Amino acid sequence: KQEVTQIPAALSVPEGENLVLNCSFTDSAIYNLQWFRQDPGKGLTSLLLIQSSQREQTSGRLNASLDKSSGRSTLYIAASQPGDSATYLCAVSSTGNQFYFGTGTSLTVIP
Amino acid sequence: NAGVMQNPRHLVRRRGQEARLRCSPMKGHSHVYWYRQLPEEGLKFMVYLQKENIIDESGMPKERFSAEFPKEGPSILRIQQVVRGDSAAYFCASSPQGQPSYTFGSGTRLTVV
Repeated sequence: KQEVTQIPAALSVPEGENLVLNCSFTDSAIYNLQWFRQDPGKGLTSLLLIQSSQREQTSGRLNASLDKSSGRSTLYIAASQPGDSATYLCAVSSTGNQFYFGTGTSLTVIP
Repeated sequence: NAGVMQNPRHLVRRRGQEARLRCSPMKGHSHVYWYRQLPEEGLKFMVYLQKENIIDESGMPKERFSAEFPKEGPSILRIQQVVRGDSAAYFCASSPQGQPSYTFGSGTRLTVV
């Protein structure tokens, strides 16, 4: 069974800093990996989707990388802003039909 | 395109009552997924449906829980005889056929009192 771990559980940084969120998974035979953002009391917003054949994806200030062999993904956020404050979730799918989620990293960006 | 619509947003039920949660997928999406997020835990897969078919229900509790996605209308997650431990946020996601990317709804927060 796939296990997904996210470190750190919480992170607080001053505005403008670059930061990295980490995700690790136990089964490297994945179909894809997706990073989501969840705001308090809200649903999930998809940030980046990386297919198993890809190494990274970029969208604006966000860059996600995937290393299947080591079972790791990172989400890099450049020039952080207070509006980036949220919980970031990593989700891994082995079949494309079901995602295994980590428990998230709660990010606070201090103005 | 209104996105994935879930209702109600908040639902309060007394122990022993039934809870019905609705999910309308995005226009053009034929696949629906239900996830549950218990307090302080990650999202857990419950069930994957296509129109009139349950494809994978490996995450559904064996009793009291059922799901459907009829030919017409929204997908329904039904919880019979609710207990306090059912209190959670229930999220629905949809995807187009053959596409791996999910779009999530805003969730239904069920509170059992």
